[in-house]
Parts: sequence; structure tokens; C-alpha cells
Amino acid sequence: DADVTQTPRNRITKTGKRIMLECSQTKGHDRMYWYRQDPGLGLRLIYYSFDVKDINKGEISDGYSVSRQAQAKFSLSLESAIPNQTALYFCATSDPDPTGGDKNIQYFGAGTRLSVL
Amino acid sequence: QKEVEQNSGPLSVPEGAIASLNCTYSDRVSQSFFWYRQYSGKSPELIMSIYSNGDKEDGRFTAQLNKASQYVSLLIRDSQPSDSATYLCAFGWGNTPLVFGKGTRLSVIA
Repeated sequence: DADVTQTPRNRITKTGKRIMLECSQTKGHDRMYWYRQDPGLGLRLIYYSFDVKDINKGEISDGYSVSRQAQAKFSLSLESAIPNQTALYFCATSDPDPTGGDKNIQYFGAGTRLSVL
Repeated sequence: QKEVEQNSGPLSVPEGAIASLNCTYSDRVSQSFFWYRQYSGKSPELIMSIYSNGDKEDGRFTAQLNKASQYVSLLIRDSQPSDSATYLCAFGWGNTPLVFGKGTRLSVIA
């Protein structure tokens, strides 16, 4: 089973609809992230959360909201979808591990391909 | 604003050759550096992490870090067609999310 699971994997929706993308993880990490990826633009951070009570905006948070329901769950919502939100969306997790070792590594889910018509 | 610069490519190398991918970053306080590989339509997967100046080798992959020059590179020896992918460089510091480059597309020609 995948450590970071995103649902759905593919979604087609219409302009103006509300849509939620879900992410759950079994890695036990406190930190979770949402990115979108567009051709030629790389990964862009939407929101991130360092624990259940912590939510932070990334570089492109407008038009999106998030909910951290539990340590293992982090959902991304598009309140009123628009066509330029068509993209590949990734959830990621990390564990800061201040004691050293492979710290700050981010692990990605398989992605959700979203099309807004 | 923290930035990562990568040549977008495509970088084409023949099978069996060494592929050299480069990345520069904007901030001297960065502490952790990563190379991710991403196949088309798939998620990024970590292939190398490096935290200290110098070289780090893992199989056919070698990461090289020079903090004074703010430069990190990835060498892939004996390149295989299965290495054809986009390679993302990322760096981080303290309690902030990683900053990713836009990636270099590598094509290994059989």
C-alpha cells in the first residue's frame, strides 16, 4: 500500500463546482503539503501544514482552501473551480527529524489529475 | 525570494555515457539539497539527498555539493534509457518547505 494516498486519481469537473482532493498518509509525518504542477512551471506550493493546528499559505493559495482533519489527513478544496486550475496536484509529507539523518525529505503521493471544463 | 535555477533541457546523452545535471540556488543558508526524478505523469521520487560539501555516491548516481558556489550537481554514470525523465533539484533550510527547480528533462538515446 502507498504511504501517501491521494484520491481521486483523476477528476473532471465543470467551472463553478466545488471539489475536494484528499490526501492521507501512513508515514506518521507531521508535515503535509499541497502542490500543483503545470507544464513548464514546475511544482508550486499551494498550502502546507506542520501539525494539525498549523495551516500556512504557499505561493499560489488564491482560489484554494485546506483542512487538516488529523495528523494523517490533509484535504485541498477548490471552492469554485475555474479552467486555469486544470493541473496535476500532488500531496507530500515530511518529517523534520532534527536529530539528523535524512531530514526534511518530502515524499509524494501519486497525484490527482484535475480537469476543469 | 528563494530560487533554484536549472537548465530545462532537454539534455540528450547516448546510452552508457555520463549525464551531468546542474542546479544553482539563491540562498547561502540552505542546509539540505535533493534530487528527485519524475517520469511523465508520475510523482517525483527522491534519488539523492546531500547535506555536506563534497560528493555523495549511490550506485550509478553521484551528487556534488559546493555551498560556497551555491551549486549542486547530479552525475548519472552508465546512463540507461530508463533514466530518461525530468530531474528536479530542491533545497531547504530550517522549518520551511523545500524550494523546487522547474526540472531538467533528460533523454538517454539507445
